[in-house]
Amino acid sequence: AQKVTQAQTEISVVEKEDVTLDCVYETRDTTYYLFWYKQPPSGELVFLIRRNSFDEQNEISGRYSWNFQKSTSSFNFTITASQVVDSAVYFCALSESGAQKLVFGQGTRLTINP
Amino acid sequence: EAGVAQSPRYKIIEKRQSVAFWCNPISGHATLYWYQQILGQGPKLLIQFQNNGVVDDSQLPKDRFSAERLKGVDSTLKIQPAKLEDSAVYLCASSPMTGGELFFGEGSRLTVL
Repeated sequence: AQKVTQAQTEISVVEKEDVTLDCVYETRDTTYYLFWYKQPPSGELVFLIRRNSFDEQNEISGRYSWNFQKSTSSFNFTITASQVVDSAVYFCALSESGAQKLVFGQGTRLTINP
Repeated sequence: EAGVAQSPRYKIIEKRQSVAFWCNPISGHATLYWYQQILGQGPKLLIQFQNNGVVDDSQLPKDRFSAERLKGVDSTLKIQPAKLEDSAVYLCASSPMTGGELFFGEGSRLTVL
């Protein structure tokens, strides 16, 4: 069965600090997809990134970067030089190849203080 | 391109009453999902449609929840009778392809008193 664990319930940092959100997943499939979504106070889930299990190359998009390590079943998300607008709940999710559905972690509430 | 539309945005009902939520996915998206998000938790899948057929409803409390997707486009999710623990945000999402990203609507927030 697929499972996603986000051990950090809440994180609070001061603006401009770097912050890493952890994600550990479990799956028996060899083909799967990993996702990160952002949920601002408005409530809508905003897609950030999708990785497939065969692509372990790290990704950088502006201030955001993702570190995918199959050896530790982790898909961590780092925000560099955080800003107040980054404050939100962030969800990591997993989709197995045949299932299509996303299984979400519990989420990490990130607060960036000015 | 229009996003996933949901209504109503907010609904307050008494326990044992019924409620229905509506979702219009992004045009051309074959797969539609209903998720339940209880406060402080991650979204949990209730039901998944592929066109107008059910793919996965293993976590849908079928004694009180029902969902349909007529003609493979719009979908409705109904709760009857509602319980206090049904208070949550009901999120609709659609996807054009297997393994692709899900596009979410703004959700329908239900409060059961």
